[in-house]
Amino acid sequence: AQSVTQLDSQVPVFEEAPVELRCNYSSSVSVYLFWYVQYPNQGLQLLLKYLSGSTLVKGINGFEAEFNKSQTSFHLRKPSVHISDTAEYFCAVSERGNFNKFYFGSGTKLNVKP
Amino acid sequence: DAGVIQSPRHEVTEMGQEVTLRCKPISGHDYLFWYRQTMMRGLELLIYFNNNVPIDDSGMPEDRFSAKMPNASFSTLKIQPSEPRDSAVYFCASRADRVGYTFGSGTRLTVV
Repeated sequence: AQSVTQLDSQVPVFEEAPVELRCNYSSSVSVYLFWYVQYPNQGLQLLLKYLSGSTLVKGINGFEAEFNKSQTSFHLRKPSVHISDTAEYFCAVSERGNFNKFYFGSGTKLNVKP
Repeated sequence: DAGVIQSPRHEVTEMGQEVTLRCKPISGHDYLFWYRQTMMRGLELLIYFNNNVPIDDSGMPEDRFSAKMPNASFSTLKIQPSEPRDSAVYFCASRADRVGYTFGSGTRLTVV
């Protein structure tokens, strides 16, 4: 079975500062990795995904994430955040070849302050 | 494309009542998923369908929960009878390929 750990439940940061949201996973098989964002009172929206190839993945809104197989991590980064990035971010994994069962982390609330 | 449409957005009901949540997936998406989100347990997959057929319902918590997909454009999640511990946000999502899910805006259920 897979599991996803997001160690930081909340991350406060000032506008225009860089941010990193951490995600670690455990799995006995190869996985696909995803980051989703949830704005208040909305559903989840895909930010980016790693399926194969380059370990540095770029997503929407200036976010990027790097897959590190040896550390089983998939941390999300943005060099300069905006107020509009305030939201909850979820890391998720699925088994390679099976997109039908996602395992989500507990989420990290990013609070961008002016 | 209107996205995945869920109704109602909010539902408040009394314990013991039947609750029906509705979902219209994106046209052409052949997979449909029901998730539940709570503070304690995060996001949990309840059940998913492929071409209107339930494939995996192992996440359905109890027999009080049931889901149907009578056609490609409509699905329901029913709770009968409802209990306060069922209070959560229920999300529907659909998928056509491996790119990823499209989630609806959710139904916030409160059982009092």
